[in-house]
Amino acid sequence: NAGVTQTPKFQVLKTGQSMTLQCAQDMNHEYMSWYRQDPGMGLRLIHYSVGAGITDQGEVPNGYNVSRSTTEDFPLRLLSAAPSQTSVYFCASSQGLREWNTEAFFGQGTRLTVV
Amino acid sequence: SQKIEQNSEALNIQEGKTATLTCNYTNYSPAYLQWYRQDPGRGPVFLLLIRENEKEKRKERLKVTFDTTLKQSLFHITASQPADSATYLCALDGYGNNRLAFGKGNQVVVIP
Repeated sequence: NAGVTQTPKFQVLKTGQSMTLQCAQDMNHEYMSWYRQDPGMGLRLIHYSVGAGITDQGEVPNGYNVSRSTTEDFPLRLLSAAPSQTSVYFCASSQGLREWNTEAFFGQGTRLTVV
Repeated sequence: SQKIEQNSEALNIQEGKTATLTCNYTNYSPAYLQWYRQDPGRGPVFLLLIRENEKEKRKERLKVTFDTTLKQSLFHITASQPADSATYLCALDGYGNNRLAFGKGNQVVVIP
């Protein structure tokens, strides 16, 4: 079991470039989410998905797109990178929405720098 | 506004002592609260979940309390060890539908 796998681990982008952060889980979890973590800000929810074909916005969705075509994969797209999107991005998954199975499993993170 | 507050100052503690961390929240009514551990350069790792109708939960050397009247959770590490040095995050159902909102975390440094 690999758990939650994120790629790449590090990325440097120029302002205006686009890219996709990959996230895959092999635990057959229904629920997946993306967070960003900034110094002094904690983890903030960007987008989430409750199952294949269903996505919704979190607290800070602007500048990001997501899709969920399969249970396993939940990519995060930066449409036109801005320096304000410099952050560490974490993908997480959990079995479902009922409180007894909302333990979140996190990936190792992607450290993104936008110059 | 909604807030989840954890102490921003690192907690330095002698090995063998009990470390106690606080998580206070405002304008939330969570059904449960979770605690995670995060090591530098790594993703958070789940430790414990405590429900609103539970006063206390234990797991090995960890103990969590949850007071919905005070809107506070306390996280204790008993007989602390240098390997317990990390940042500890509290999280609760902050956005509805069990989507987690996190505090900023509280660093613990256990001194041998």
